[in-house]
Amino acid sequence: QVQLQESGPGLVRPSETLSLGCTVSGGSMNSYYWSWIRQPPGKGLEWIGSIYYSGSTNYNLSLKSRVTISVDTSKNQFSLKLSSVTAADTAVYYCARSQPALDYWGQGTLVTVSS
Amino acid sequence: SSELTQDPAVSVALGQTVRITCQGDSLGSYYASWYQQRPGQAPLLVMYSKNTRPSGIPDRFSGSSSGNTASLTITGAQAADEADYYCGSRDSSGNRLVFGGGTKLTVL
Repeated sequence: QVQLQESGPGLVRPSETLSLGCTVSGGSMNSYYWSWIRQPPGKGLEWIGSIYYSGSTNYNLSLKSRVTISVDTSKNQFSLKLSSVTAADTAVYYCARSQPALDYWGQGTLVTVSS
Repeated sequence: SSELTQDPAVSVALGQTVRITCQGDSLGSYYASWYQQRPGQAPLLVMYSKNTRPSGIPDRFSGSSSGNTASLTITGAQAADEADYYCGSRDSSGNRLVFGGGTKLTVL
């Protein structure tokens, strides 16, 4: 059974860079896309971007200038960096496996942007 | 704004049938997937490739598609089905994913 677990700081200062990691267990990262999705409190889901196991990426156009997703298959991990954050970036951040249907999700981690 | 449109809220009487719809231009080219999200939980995939249920999803859930509209039908809704439901698909470019705004399902 594939499992995903997000990790990273729960509080980020405005204008700084949000950094999260996702560890994949119970399966190989090979031949799959891996995605980041976020959900502001009380709002809907927003796809942030995806990375193929080989490293090619696709990003949400509204976030593209601030987002970097990378992968390290040797560690079974992929990561998210979102720069120049504001309060609008406060959300629960999920990592998930894409087929492109998102069939396995992490439990999510709340990241609050506040000084 | 979302490229996929869902009704914000739908209600159904216990044991009855309910259809949740999702509209978008990209659905004419790509299948929708459907996610159930209960309060405080991560989304759960309940339908993909038009009418394929992941293992463990009850067969009262079914999917369909016609033109630019995808639908998730729950036949014999249970109290446990009360949740937010999101559709997802590729966008018109085919390279990105997009979600609908979500439908809050209330089981009366």
